[in-house]
Amino acid sequence: DGGITQSPKYLFRKEGQNVTLSCEQNLNHDAMYWYRQDPGQGLRLIYYSQIVNDFQKGDIAEGYSVSREKKESFPLTVTSAQKNPTAFYLCASSIDQYTRGSNQPQHFGDGTRLSIL
Amino acid sequence: SQQGEEDPQALSIQEGENATMNCSYKTSINNLQWYRQNSGRGLVHLILIRSNEREKHSGRLRVTLDTSKKSSSLLITASRAADTASYFCATDTQIQGAQKLVFGQGTRLTINP
Repeated sequence: DGGITQSPKYLFRKEGQNVTLSCEQNLNHDAMYWYRQDPGQGLRLIYYSQIVNDFQKGDIAEGYSVSREKKESFPLTVTSAQKNPTAFYLCASSIDQYTRGSNQPQHFGDGTRLSIL
Repeated sequence: SQQGEEDPQALSIQEGENATMNCSYKTSINNLQWYRQNSGRGLVHLILIRSNEREKHSGRLRVTLDTSKKSSSLLITASRAADTASYFCATDTQIQGAQKLVFGQGTRLTINP
């Protein structure tokens, strides 16, 4: 079955530590996204990538970094500069709108819940 | 920034009743999408309505879009316990070809058996 896999499901970060969240998709989608969700809130965009080796900052990129070396993978690093990292992180992907036209839905993984120790 | 505002924030109804959720937004859009999120899970896409469409159906779901009022509604008919979830609207404000969805804060729907 095609889909998006996020790991780990739960992650704990110590003071001053960087942690990396994994996101892998086998949907052959070009575009991938990272969102942050705080309790009782909607999603806020952290970073997005339209193609391999290219990514753009979203609305709340400070304290985060990403890479896109492979089409299937879009890992997110939460750095020590992110002072309030406790949240639910969601990865998504979609068909590239340049090649398939606009109006494409996003497909989501099941998230990683990050907490501070 | 949050573009969408959803109303109500929480809704509790009896199984079999209809549930209506509303979404308002601020800027012009290409399309508006509705997603469902079960507790502790990712989002699942429900339905997409384009800016030139006024109404769309999918099974027990009916979505309307009024671009003059910048608002949309999601109607779930004959609700079931399994419909208990949070529902989010998201507007597509396309930037440089990359889709950039802006989500509302969601409506938490509880279906009582």
